[in-house]
Amino acid sequence: GAGVSQSPSNKVTEKGKDVELRCDPISGHTALYWYRQRLGQGLEFLIYFQGNSAPDKSGLPSDRFSAERTGESVSTLTIQRTQQEDSAVYLCASSPTGTSGTEQYFGPGTRLTVT
Amino acid sequence: GENVEQHPSTLSVQEGDSAVIKCTYSDSASNYFPWYKQELGKRPQLIIDIRSNVGEKKDQRIAVTLNKTAKHFSLHITETQPEDSAVYFCAATGYSGAGSYQLTFGKGTKLSVIP
Repeated sequence: GAGVSQSPSNKVTEKGKDVELRCDPISGHTALYWYRQRLGQGLEFLIYFQGNSAPDKSGLPSDRFSAERTGESVSTLTIQRTQQEDSAVYLCASSPTGTSGTEQYFGPGTRLTVT
Repeated sequence: GENVEQHPSTLSVQEGDSAVIKCTYSDSASNYFPWYKQELGKRPQLIIDIRSNVGEKKDQRIAVTLNKTAKHFSLHITETQPEDSAVYFCAATGYSGAGSYQLTFGKGTKLSVIP
């Protein structure tokens, strides 16, 4: 079946502009995660959605970052007034449930470059 | 919150030799420890995982060991092959409240297998 997809695959934007990144999880997966991966670094947790529960936003680095998810489908990550330090690959992952011990399936990522 | 340390950051081995990557975690409540492999420019993919009620798990040339008392876990790859060359990430899952389970990742180990 189809895996997690993300769009765009690459995004170049000017400092100060807003960007919107999209994630399509695997159908039926109730949990969805966003991560940031800076060059040569590990994966930094940003936000987590589980069904209709309130999202866990504890990883968002500033109020310029926000995310939405409609039900158990598409999610969008929005970064307002982008800064050069926002340059990174943004990875989305989904899992069948949000319980511990459930494999997370990653999308291909969106490479964001802020000039 | 959880903190995961991973060593070494880079590792070079001759083809056919073994490779060992070690991780430590800080939260004694963490109970799930996956390992992901990320090839250059590709998404992370789960290669093996272990739960806190198990001390060792093996899958062909890959094995993972867990020492809950010392709070460390290790990935062992035997008979390494050039296609094992990639960045490997360890992670630990703990409950972060409000029904949310987060994966905290190590910074990764770049493994190079020299033919």
